[in-house]
Amino acid sequence: ETGVTQTPRHLVMGMTNKKSLKCEQHLGHNAMYWYKQSAKKPLELMFVYNFKEQTENNSVPSRFSPECPNSSHLFLHLHTLQPEDSALYLCASSQGPGTSGSYEQYFGPGTRLTVT
Amino acid sequence: KNQVEQSPQSLIILEGKNCTLQCNYTVSPFSNLRWYKQDTGRGPVSLTIMTFSENTKSNGRYTATLDADTKQSSLHITASQLSDSASYICVVSGASGTYKYIFGTGTRLKVLA
Repeated sequence: ETGVTQTPRHLVMGMTNKKSLKCEQHLGHNAMYWYKQSAKKPLELMFVYNFKEQTENNSVPSRFSPECPNSSHLFLHLHTLQPEDSALYLCASSQGPGTSGSYEQYFGPGTRLTVT
Repeated sequence: KNQVEQSPQSLIILEGKNCTLQCNYTVSPFSNLRWYKQDTGRGPVSLTIMTFSENTKSNGRYTATLDADTKQSSLHITASQLSDSASYICVVSGASGTYKYIFGTGTRLKVLA
């Protein structure tokens, strides 16, 4: 295991539901990331947190709302999603903010989200 | 535009055979290049990392090469095993002071008995 856990592993939700994805890292890292992985597309960076502060929002729709209460936990709150939001959502962490990409990212197993 | 392209998109080989996956990138300035292995339903796991000054790096049966002049990298898998069946993702990091890691779309490898 990579030291990054995600729950739930699978989630099916309707377009009017509200749900949350949880990520926890046990590596003592200071940076955490949310990625979206859709079929046949590269991983898309959504959000970056460094020392609990959001440092990047990659033009993500407001129906995705991240929360980082401390350096070990990261949440992604979901509401009024669309079917095209169905994807694998991956959380990652790294020791440092990777301003030169020099810090290795450790990924969780992902949450497979299906929006009906 | 910073891009990472991988080929082939998918590959099927017999167990015990060797194979080579390709990665071409246009990221500039360049910092480093990683190869990740992603099993179905799991997150990516790092195999190798190379900076611009390195041209080869091995991890067991996996050997990555890098030509920073032509902006090309390859991942060679020797004596493939059934457990090598996975997606292999090339990730390039720029040296421009951002968090962005540029991901390729991956090569899906299937090893048959």
